[in-house]
Amino acid sequence: DGGITQSPKYLFRKEGQNVTLSCEQNLNHDAMYWYRQDPGQGLRLIYYSQIVNDFQKGDIAEGYSVSREKKESFPLTVTSAQKNPTAFYLCASSSISGRGTSGSSYEQYFGPGTRLTVT
Amino acid sequence: GQNIDQPTEMTATEGAIVQINCTYQTSGFNGLFWYQQHAGEAPTFLSYNVLDGLEEKGRFSSFLSRSKGYSYLLLKELQMKDSASYLCAITEPGGGNKLTFGTGTQLKVEL
Repeated sequence: DGGITQSPKYLFRKEGQNVTLSCEQNLNHDAMYWYRQDPGQGLRLIYYSQIVNDFQKGDIAEGYSVSREKKESFPLTVTSAQKNPTAFYLCASSSISGRGTSGSSYEQYFGPGTRLTVT
Repeated sequence: GQNIDQPTEMTATEGAIVQINCTYQTSGFNGLFWYQQHAGEAPTFLSYNVLDGLEEKGRFSSFLSRSKGYSYLLLKELQMKDSASYLCAITEPGGGNKLTFGTGTQLKVEL
């Protein structure tokens, strides 16, 4: 069964600690993305990667870091420098060369999300 | 840059029809997606428009006017399970396959 997994679903951390969120996909997708969603808000792009060992900052990259050592994996680290880390984090992937259900290579498939609470 | 506007909330009655609008201003435009997101869950794909006109898919239809920077999602025969957030997202040329999302419209379906 192809898809995207994120773990854990709920995560609690103390302020000042770094925390890493996992994202794995077995869809053979080239591109992967991290979004943050706050209550009643849309999705804001944190980082994205179109190819292994390369990634770009999104609109709100400050306080976050990523790595893309394998095509299947795109972990996100929320550092202590992130001022308001409590949020719902969503990972997504897309096939740059292929076509999704929509017929578009832009279509993104989302993982179930990780709700991070920092106190 | 991009600016995408959607109403924050809408309420409709079970069995009725509801139209959720999305307007956008962008320097470039490839296409527009609609996603559905239930609370605490992942967004799921609903529709994609790249050309002007109406795309129909069962109870859901989506319309696009590129010249007006306007799209709408039409939901017919509303069911309680349609209560969710509906996200409009656009793609741009040279955007690295990125999607830019609106803030979403929270739809509540009542009896």
